[in-house]
Amino acid sequence: DQQVKQNSPSLSVQEGRISILNCDYTNSMFDYFLWYKKYPAEGPTFLISISSIKDKNEDGRFTVFLNKSAKHLSLHIVPSQPGDSAVYFCAASDKGGSEKLVFGKGTKLTVNP
Amino acid sequence: EAQVTQNPRYLITVTGKKLTVTCSQNMNHEYMSWYRQDPGLGLRQIYYSMNVEVTDKGDVPEGYKVSRKEKRNFPLILESPSPNQTSLYFCASSLSLRKVETQYFGPGTRLLVL
Repeated sequence: DQQVKQNSPSLSVQEGRISILNCDYTNSMFDYFLWYKKYPAEGPTFLISISSIKDKNEDGRFTVFLNKSAKHLSLHIVPSQPGDSAVYFCAASDKGGSEKLVFGKGTKLTVNP
Repeated sequence: EAQVTQNPRYLITVTGKKLTVTCSQNMNHEYMSWYRQDPGLGLRQIYYSMNVEVTDKGDVPEGYKVSRKEKRNFPLILESPSPNQTSLYFCASSLSLRKVETQYFGPGTRLLVL
């Protein structure tokens, strides 16, 4: 039973355009969401997070949108750059006091020059 | 320099031979965790620790043990490794889960169990 789903294994975008990576979740107890970026042969790096009390969080070129009613979040990268090419993981944590983190399977983003 | 170190970086072993992967951080972080990455399955959390002597199961704890006797170290123990534990393992630390802007990941340990 996959609680966090990234249904697109890959995404290809032209440099300068917008990249939109999507993530769906099934557990209504999730209240904190994170995005990570991972390059090959390196550990993941934290990108941006959002709490369920917000519906949007922005950090430079990266914006995360949260739609609680649809149990959906998305990461927007504008403008996309070739250096953004990586695997992006969505993750979620619930408010039950646990500090357990559940990840999606990842989306490989390729930004073409 | 703030960092998370893991050792060894690469390990080939045989089924049933106990092994330990060490993880150490120099940032006085309270929250530490272990993940495995597998093709098609993404990242999955194995165990996490909120502080010394406080550990809890993540998504895929079966076949693994951890301990947190000191704040800086969080070793991952495979008592009797099996081929399905062949994977890429990452250790991470942060002030807390909810302060992930402080989170650092180690470089990874690639394990092959024959």
